[in-house]
Amino acid sequence: GQQVMQIPQYQHVQEGEDFTTYCNSSTTLSNIQWYKQRPGGHPVFLIQLVKSGEVKKQKRLTFQFGEAKKNSSLHITATQTTDVGTYFCAAPNAGGTSYGKLTFGQGTILTVHP
Amino acid sequence: DSGVTQTPKHLITATGQRVTLRCSPRSGDLSVYWYQQSLDQGLQFLIQYYNGEERAKGNILERFSAQQFPDLHSELNLSSLELGDSALYFCASSVGPANSPLHFGNGTRLTVT
Repeated sequence: GQQVMQIPQYQHVQEGEDFTTYCNSSTTLSNIQWYKQRPGGHPVFLIQLVKSGEVKKQKRLTFQFGEAKKNSSLHITATQTTDVGTYFCAAPNAGGTSYGKLTFGQGTILTVHP
Repeated sequence: DSGVTQTPKHLITATGQRVTLRCSPRSGDLSVYWYQQSLDQGLQFLIQYYNGEERAKGNILERFSAQQFPDLHSELNLSSLELGDSALYFCASSVGPANSPLHFGNGTRLTVT
C-alpha cells in the first residue's frame, strides 16, 4: 500500500530559527496534504498540494511539492512557540480497493525553545 | 471547531469488554474515516465509509467493526478489548470519497485496564 516516509522524527529549535520537515514516497502521488496536531489536540488540515513543483505559502509556512510528485516539504521561517506540535504529511492511495485511503507519515514533532 | 463530533471523550474499560465509539461528521460531508493513534505513534488508518458504504480498509483488527448509518453518523465497535487497544481514536470526515481534506474530531481516548 501507499507509504510516505517523513523526516526528521523530532526537531528541537530555538525560537526564531527555521524548521523544515520532509515527506518522501516511492510512488508518484496525485496530491499531498499537510496537517498540524498541537499537543493534546487533533490533527488540523493545513494545505493540499496537487501540481508538480507547486509552492504555496501561508504566512511563515512554505509548502512545496516536488517536480516528480514524490516528495514534499514544509518549511517554517522564524519559528514561534505557537508552532509547537506534530506536523504530518498525508497522501491518498492511487487506486484499487483502497482508493481514497489517506496514509499519514509518522510525523515530525517540533519543539520550540523560547 | 472542526464540526466533527465524537463521543465519548474518554472511555475506561476492562480487558475483554466491548465499547462503541460514535462520530457525527461535519454537515455536508459524506465520508467518515477512523484512525487510531497510540502514544507517540502516528495515525493508523482503520476504515473509511462513503455515503453509507465501506470504501477503504486499513489494518483493522477482526475484533473491530464499524458502520455508517443513513444519517451519515458512524460507529466504531471494539470488542474483546486488550491492553494494547488503549489509544486515541479519531474520526474524520470529508466531502468526497477521495482526495478531499479531512476534518478531525477531538477524539475518544480509550483506556483498557
